Amino acid sequence: EVQLVESGGGLVQPGGSPRLSCSASGVSISIYWMGWVRQAPGRGLEWVASIHHDASEKDYADSVKGRFTISRDNAKNLLYLQMNSLRAEDTAVYYCARLRGALHQYYIDFWGQGTLVTVSS
Amino acid sequence: SYELTQPPSVSVSPGQTASITCSGDKLGKIYSYWYQQKSGQSPVLVIYEDDKRPSGIPERFSGSNSGNTATLTISGTQAMDEADYYCQAWDTTTGGVFGGGTRLTVL
Repeated sequence: EVQLVESGGGLVQPGGSPRLSCSASGVSISIYWMGWVRQAPGRGLEWVASIHHDASEKDYADSVKGRFTISRDNAKNLLYLQMNSLRAEDTAVYYCARLRGALHQYYIDFWGQGTLVTVSS
Repeated sequence: SYELTQPPSVSVSPGQTASITCSGDKLGKIYSYWYQQKSGQSPVLVIYEDDKRPSGIPERFSGSNSGNTATLTISGTQAMDEADYYCQAWDTTTGGVFGGGTRLTVL
């Protein structure tokens, strides 16, 4: 059974720099694009970042570009999201996601359960 | 960056057909995808590559995409279909992009 389990969320002060992790089981992530999606309380989904299976390509939403960094360790079956200079508007549930696609267009076929990041003093 | 627009809400009576639209510039030239999210749960893919259903998704879910509009259609809507629905496309610059979401109410 495929499982994606996020960790690293919690209460963070404005300006903080937490790192989220996503541990995969039941599947090797090494052949998949992976990504992070977030959802602020009571709001819609926002695509945050995605990464090629060998990390040769990374994409970021404009709202996090320059502050967040997506990375992966295929040997450990882990996906990361380093978040810097956090603001109140970064408060959200962060989902780890496995991507599938064709013709260089990707979608999410499997989601984690999410980890809540709350930015507040 | 690319933008997708959905109506905030759609209402439907049980057994009737619900249609949820998603608009974007030349959306019909790229793939559209749809997700269902029930309260307190992670989203679930219901349509990919415009009109394909993943394994386990009921046949009453269908999709189409042409011109500037993609449409998710739920035929014979059931109470269990009440949820938020999000369309998604891929932007070559920033990656994935979601529509704002549509709350489907089954009255």
